[in-house]
Amino acid sequence: EIVMTQSPATLSVSPGERATLSCRASQRISSNLAWYQQKPGQAPRLLIYGASTRATGVPARFSGRGSGTEFTLTISSLQSEDFAVYYCQHYNNWPPWTFGQGTKVEIK
Amino acid sequence: EVQLLKSGGGLVQPGGSLRLSCAASGFTFTNYAMTWVRQAPGEGLEWVSSISASGNSTYYTDSVKGRFTVSRDNSRSTLYLQMNSLRVEDSAVYYCAKDAVFGVIESWGQGTLVTVSS
Repeated sequence: EIVMTQSPATLSVSPGERATLSCRASQRISSNLAWYQQKPGQAPRLLIYGASTRATGVPARFSGRGSGTEFTLTISSLQSEDFAVYYCQHYNNWPPWTFGQGTKVEIK
Repeated sequence: EVQLLKSGGGLVQPGGSLRLSCAASGFTFTNYAMTWVRQAPGEGLEWVSSISASGNSTYYTDSVKGRFTVSRDNSRSTLYLQMNSLRVEDSAVYYCAKDAVFGVIESWGQGTLVTVSS
């Protein structure tokens, strides 16, 4: 099973600042990585797939990079609605798919 | 608009069974793989099971193999998760979800709470 490790666990950022979240896979997964956003009491929302492709309706301030084992999600200028928990997930080859433990982006 | 309407959650004793159902609409159900993901209270996301568009292929996380069964009725656009021999650690909100491509979870239902407790 591929283990996904996210860092940091919590990121404190002021509105308008840039936030960079990291995700590492225990094996090479090419670009088969997705990012999700989850707000309290809500279902997750797909943000990025293919490591760098934004899902429909996702603002351009969200960008993803990486391949192999190292990936990042950058939010260029944090808006109030972006404070949430973010999860990465691999979908390389066959299941089991695995999620990272999440990064909470909180207001500084 | 994609809609995923779930039913079947609730409280069950350890060792008991529950069946979750997820009625899908707003897309051509027969064209997409479907997935179940769960989230224990205060915890992260855990992939549970996926099923191919045809229903011919099913996949499970190790902790539920032999206890949970995923299935679909394409004539009714409905996804199911039969959960047997439930354990306390199976307590979670269960999300029904639609894959965009296999493994990319594009649309999520609102979740149904399953509580396993005596």
